[in-house]
Amino acid sequence: GNSVTQMEGPVTLSEEAFLTINCTYTATGYPSLFWYVQYPGEGLQLLLKATKADDKGSNKGFEATYRKETTSFHLEKGSVQVSDSAVYFCALSDPSSNTGKLIFGQGTTLQVKP
Amino acid sequence: DTGVSQDPRHKITKRGQNVTFRCDPISEHNRLYWYRQTLGQGPEFLTYFQNEAQLEKSRLLSDRFSAERPKGSFSTLEIQRTEQGDSAMYLCASRDRYYEQYFGPGTRLTVT
Repeated sequence: GNSVTQMEGPVTLSEEAFLTINCTYTATGYPSLFWYVQYPGEGLQLLLKATKADDKGSNKGFEATYRKETTSFHLEKGSVQVSDSAVYFCALSDPSSNTGKLIFGQGTTLQVKP
Repeated sequence: DTGVSQDPRHKITKRGQNVTFRCDPISEHNRLYWYRQTLGQGPEFLTYFQNEAQLEKSRLLSDRFSAERPKGSFSTLEIQRTEQGDSAMYLCASRDRYYEQYFGPGTRLTVT
């Protein structure tokens, strides 16, 4: 079945460090891919998305490229800030149905220290 | 655009009691989704509505769970005879025409 696997956390970085959070997926067909972020005490917010192979999604300094050949959608940021501390979820839109339901990874906690 | 709202934000109930949660989606969104999130996990799909029609239910949604969306506006999720395993965050999302889902803050259910 369709699934998403993220690297385990927590990931702890110093401010201004480079961030990579790995995400790989299994899907039949061609899913859309998403990164959501959950700040402490808040709901899930869409961070970025990509709808087809080789698309790059970007927002707030974060980027991810849809790699069909490696079935990956890794999240990157060149210089993290303390305010980026949150839980990050990779997700795909199930291509095997037209419901649009999302399948999420287990989440990766990012802690950025000053 | 006031975003997706959910009520209540927190609910503590005793095992065996019934609970009902409400979700108000973004007004122009015709698709509405319910998910459940347990600690340390990503959200899992429960069910979805297109307008007032409930079009898919997950196997996670046992017969103790029921969801409605009368008139295609707000939605309710009811859990009957709650069990401790029902303790989780219940999330609601609505979807725009660009296929982006917007999530509410969630209702945290604790069953004692």
